[in-house]
Amino acid sequence: DAKTTQPPSMDCAEGRAANLPCNHSTISGNEYVYWYRQIHSQGPQYIIHGLKNNETNEMASLIITEDRKSSTLILPHATLRDTAVYYCIVRVKNYGGSQGNLIFGKGTKLSVKP
Amino acid sequence: NAGVTQTPKFRVLKTGQSMTLLCAQDMNHEYMYWYRQDPGMGLRLIHYSVGEGTTAKGEVPDGYNVSRLKKQNFLLGLESAAPSQTSVYFCASSQPQGRYTGELFFGEGSRLTVL
Repeated sequence: DAKTTQPPSMDCAEGRAANLPCNHSTISGNEYVYWYRQIHSQGPQYIIHGLKNNETNEMASLIITEDRKSSTLILPHATLRDTAVYYCIVRVKNYGGSQGNLIFGKGTKLSVKP
Repeated sequence: NAGVTQTPKFRVLKTGQSMTLLCAQDMNHEYMYWYRQDPGMGLRLIHYSVGEGTTAKGEVPDGYNVSRLKKQNFLLGLESAAPSQTSVYFCASSQPQGRYTGELFFGEGSRLTVL
């Protein structure tokens, strides 16, 4: 699975959009980009995932560049409850029995401030 | 619908003792996983299972054993605990990616301290 690079920390003002970047320059054609977050030592929570098209759900939007070498997770109106560590992960689709082998790096610690 | 439940949530062991962590899911998921998380680190996969009666090694399997005798349960065993196994353990489950999103659902974690 390709590796990802994320900034260690970011700040965001409450109510503003939080844009979390992720670099995955070695991503291959059959790898998806997944985003999870972990709020204060709780179990990680799935946010969104995509292959090459931009995706949006009730939690966030995922923007993937055309060359797929980087992506941005957007929380449109960050709240204090969005303070968490955000993990960007790439994972091979249907990689046999190991498709669950999500490799979590250190992620980005997002601090939403009042 | 409880999702993924881990027991116990906290445990203190002495070096050399054995114990078992239990993970139960009520979502009828095929896949289950055990991760560990050390301070300031991401999660590392210990073992996983793609179905009842099957298990496989992840990134850091040494010192652990697992069993999946029932689809809804995934047990993680420490035969002879060592201080290096002090960590927070997370269980997760998912459906296979394909017809599903493949997202993992995590439990709340089990905090283990080995003295």
